[in-house]
Amino acid sequence: GAGVSQSPSNKVTEKGKDVELRCDPISGHTALYWYRQSLGQGLEFLIYFQGNSAPDKSGLPSDRFSAERTGGSVSTLTIQRTQQEDSAVYLCASSLDRGMTDTQYFGPGTRLTVL
Amino acid sequence: LAKTTQPISMDSYEGQEVNITCSHNNIATNDYITWYQQFPSQGPRFIIQGYKTKVTNEVASLFIPADRKSSTLSLPRVSLSDTAVYYCLVGDEGGGTASKLTFGTGTRLQVTL
Repeated sequence: GAGVSQSPSNKVTEKGKDVELRCDPISGHTALYWYRQSLGQGLEFLIYFQGNSAPDKSGLPSDRFSAERTGGSVSTLTIQRTQQEDSAVYLCASSLDRGMTDTQYFGPGTRLTVL
Repeated sequence: LAKTTQPISMDSYEGQEVNITCSHNNIATNDYITWYQQFPSQGPRFIIQGYKTKVTNEVASLFIPADRKSSTLSLPRVSLSDTAVYYCLVGDEGGGTASKLTFGTGTRLQVTL
């Protein structure tokens, strides 16, 4: 079946602009995660959604970052007033349930470049 | 909160067995140990998961000593296609805080002929 998809694959924007990144999780997966990976670095947790529960936003680096998940499926990560330090690959993952014991299936990521 | 420490990089020749060790001194009773593999320009991919002793699947083995303060991912007879970054992740079923969902910098494995 289809895996996790993300769009766009690449996004170049100017400093100060807003961007929206989209994630389509695997059908039936109730948990959805967003991560950020800077060049040569590990993955930094941003936010996760589990079913209809309130999202865990504890990893969001600032209030310029927000995310929503509509209908328990598609998720959008929004970065307002982008800064150059926001440049990174943004990865989305989904799993059947929440928790570290559940295999996370990752999408290919969106490479964001802020000029 | 369980923090993990791995070697930054390792080199191996094709056909050799590679062992990557991860230290997690503060692992909690309910924590599992999971390893992921990441190729360039791709998202990480699950390799193996364990709680204690030894786990083996078609790809790798995971060795966990009795004190669970470390774990070793073993890749038998690596090939060039095993060149990737390998992440050790520790956490429990409760999912949870951001630090538990941090993959760290991983171990960059380079396999050559």
